[in-house]
Amino acid sequence: KNEVEQSPQNLTAQEGEFITINCSYSVGISALHWLQQHPGGGIVSLFMLSSGKKKHGRLIATINIQEKHSSLHITASHPRDSAVYICAVTGADGLTFGKGTHLIIQP
Amino acid sequence: EPEVTQTPSHQVTQMGQEVILRCVPISNHLYFYWYRQILGQKVEFLVSFYNNEISEKSEIFDDQFSVERPDGSNFTLKIRSTKLEDSAMYFCASSSSNAATYGYTFGSGTRLTVV
Repeated sequence: KNEVEQSPQNLTAQEGEFITINCSYSVGISALHWLQQHPGGGIVSLFMLSSGKKKHGRLIATINIQEKHSSLHITASHPRDSAVYICAVTGADGLTFGKGTHLIIQP
Repeated sequence: EPEVTQTPSHQVTQMGQEVILRCVPISNHLYFYWYRQILGQKVEFLVSFYNNEISEKSEIFDDQFSVERPDGSNFTLKIRSTKLEDSAMYFCASSSSNAATYGYTFGSGTRLTVV
């Protein structure tokens, strides 16, 4: 069974700061997902990666398959980026989720 | 952009009552899923559904749970006799034939409160 670990669990930063959230997993996967969960609870899919790097606006996601590690970066962070960011992996037993990183961006 | 729609957004029910949570997946998707998130905990897999039958289920998905695709568009999760510990956010998701390539689309969730 895959174990998905995220760090940090909680992160508070000032508007404009560069943010990095990390995810590691224990068993080989076919894809890794970064998800965003807003205070209302809904989940939005940000990225799905199987290799390399993806960029969407101010968000960048990278994955290193050999090291079983992924990072989500937010450039020029803004208070509206405040949310829980969840890493999930697709493996032999379907989707396995991390506990999430609770990000607060202060103005 | 196509969406997965869940109703209701919030449901309060008395312990022992039956509840049905509804989802309308993306129309050309073939795989459907239910996940649960108890407050403060991580999202957990409940069940996957393909070709009108359950393809996989977790230990959580015991006999009090059932899923159905009654009419080709809705995908429902029924909890037969709710318990306090069933209080959680329930998410529906759908994917096309190859989730590993195209990913999943999640609904906005139904918050179930059992009192």
